Amino acid sequence: DAGVIQSPRHEVTEMGQEVTLRCKPISGHNSLFWYRQTMMRGLELLIYFNNNVPIDDSGMPEDRFSAKMPNASFSTLKIQPSEPRDSAVYFCAAKTSATGELFFGEGSRLTVL
Amino acid sequence: AQSVAQPEDQVNVAEGNPLTVKCTYSVSGNPYLFWYVQYPNRGLQFLLKYITGDNLVKGSYGFEAEFNKSQTSFHLKKPSALVSDSALYFCAVITGGGNKLTFGTGTQLKVEL
Repeated sequence: DAGVIQSPRHEVTEMGQEVTLRCKPISGHNSLFWYRQTMMRGLELLIYFNNNVPIDDSGMPEDRFSAKMPNASFSTLKIQPSEPRDSAVYFCAAKTSATGELFFGEGSRLTVL
Repeated sequence: AQSVAQPEDQVNVAEGNPLTVKCTYSVSGNPYLFWYVQYPNRGLQFLLKYITGDNLVKGSYGFEAEFNKSQTSFHLKKPSALVSDSALYFCAVITGGGNKLTFGTGTQLKVEL
């Protein structure tokens, strides 16, 4: 298996634009997580899904952020409108069970000018 | 609530010397503990985990960690450090029945010749 695949790897956009980050988890890994990493705040959990259903979105910073998982092989994280403070590396991760290890994608580095 | 503390932002060690990266946790119930490593511009990679059983767990790249219930610690160790071990290390915890991993703030390990 190719692992967790994220796209794009790098995104540079201007304030106010819509940003969509994509994730393809490992087949059979039915829990999917979106994290954000910054120097100031470290690694933050934004939202996670079990079997395509959002379970906990308490980490989503505000209404500008939304996430979907229409099927077991695809998830998106959308920011609309984007702001400079959203600049960060966004990671998607997946696992099979509560005690299983998380497999991370390589991240999407977002820069909002 | 569950939390993890990594008291050192950075650890410096000479190549060939033993290394320790510290982690303490706070949970209600039995903890499941994990260590991850992050190289520059990469996603986090799983190193090892403690779920139950032997308090000393061995993982990838010669790393090991000891679960100490009385001290609520799970320190990462390696007998002989390599320059290639230089990276950012994260400790993480989850409690039984939960699915949300809580990460520490990370410790930057620098191994010098």
